[in-house]
Amino acid sequence: DTEVTQTPKHLVMGMTNKKSLKCEQHMGHRAMYWYKQKAKKPPELMFVYSYEKLSINESVPSRFSPECPNSSLLNLHLHALQPEDSALYLCASSPKQGQGYGVSGELFFGEGSRLTVL
Amino acid sequence: TQLLEQSPQFLSIQEGENLTVYCNSSSVFSSLQWYRQEPGEGPVLLVTVVTGGEVKKLKRLTFQFGDARKDSSLHITAAQPGDTGLYLCAVNSGNTPLVFGKGTRLSVIA
Repeated sequence: DTEVTQTPKHLVMGMTNKKSLKCEQHMGHRAMYWYKQKAKKPPELMFVYSYEKLSINESVPSRFSPECPNSSLLNLHLHALQPEDSALYLCASSPKQGQGYGVSGELFFGEGSRLTVL
Repeated sequence: TQLLEQSPQFLSIQEGENLTVYCNSSSVFSSLQWYRQEPGEGPVLLVTVVTGGEVKKLKRLTFQFGDARKDSSLHITAAQPGDTGLYLCAVNSGNTPLVFGKGTRLSVIA
């Protein structure tokens, strides 16, 4: 069982909706990540939070807005999305961000939230 | 330019067969990770290799890190349908988050 919990598992939304994806970990990890994965492609990094501060934004459109309320929680707020934003959104955590992003940069992923934008 | 090249991209084999998949680069890495992702799930870390020439075994899976720490292989013995999934290699490049290869999609047919 994964120790990174993502909700909801599935989400269908219209282009005018506002919704949020949530991620929670209780491993004491201080770095948390959002990845986007399209079908038959590897995960693509979107955002990195380190010690609750945004440290990396991979030029993600502003219709995606991340938030890290505390060291255990990571949200991704969605507004005015496009159908091409439909994908599997993966949250991950690692022990710390720094040189090598943790002991050896190992990531612990949640099961993902499957988003469909109509 | 892709930092990590994985081959083959797709592999379909019969249960009981052996297989090897590869992860290659022209860069040197301090460590390399292998993940497996099953359909509809997130990737799960299988192993981290750190030392050049290192071999690690995980049941029927054998991982090797190249002597020069530029490449790695994953060998599966007597594949089973439960081995089906996307196998991703990944590295840290400098002080950046994990970079994934494009993956090898394995299908093991019963």
